[in-house]
Amino acid sequence: DQQVKQNSPSLSVQEGRISILNCDYTNSMFDYFLWYKKYPAEGPTFLISISSIKDKNEDGRFTVFLNKSAKHLSLHIVPSQPGDSAVYFCAASRFYNQGGKLIFGQGTELSVKP
Amino acid sequence: EAGVTQFPSHSVIEKGQTVTLRCDPISGHDNLYWYRRVMGKEIKFLLHFVKESKQDESGMPNNRFLAERTGGTYSTLKVQPAELEDSGVYFCASSRTAIAAKNIQYFGAGTRLSVL
Repeated sequence: DQQVKQNSPSLSVQEGRISILNCDYTNSMFDYFLWYKKYPAEGPTFLISISSIKDKNEDGRFTVFLNKSAKHLSLHIVPSQPGDSAVYFCAASRFYNQGGKLIFGQGTELSVKP
Repeated sequence: EAGVTQFPSHSVIEKGQTVTLRCDPISGHDNLYWYRRVMGKEIKFLLHFVKESKQDESGMPNNRFLAERTGGTYSTLKVQPAELEDSGVYFCASSRTAIAAKNIQYFGAGTRLSVL
């Protein structure tokens, strides 16, 4: 039973436009969410996170939105750049805590075209 | 500061053989995690060490997998005997704290295991 789902395996966006990556979760006990970015042959790198007590967190071109009632979060990248082309993983964890283990989605491959 | 390093980067073995993967976490990080990604699917948690103790090994697939972290530094993950379904990319991650709000896990580049 997959608790974190990214239903879009791929997304293609024009440079300069907005990229929106989506993630759904089923476990209401999750209260901390993260996005990781992964380039080929590299490990995932942390991008941005959000606590369940917030509905938005922003860091430069990256903004994460959380809709707890819908159990949905999204990552917005504005403006998108070719260097943003990578696989993006949504992850969730529980604060009180299962040792900090992360539950990941399947990933969405973002391609930003020049 | 050196990142998380994993060795080997790629291992090809035959079914029934033994393979040992190694992970060196970032210095000073007490928390060490193992994850696995199979065939482009989600990255799945395997286990979590706090220093040399296993905090959570609920994700270990079966008793063919053995993880150790002697002395609380580097960790090894041994698969014996390997089966075809063990193929995938094994990631190691480390973090300074397991408190969710500060638990930024830093990942290594992974070991790609191919069992033929």
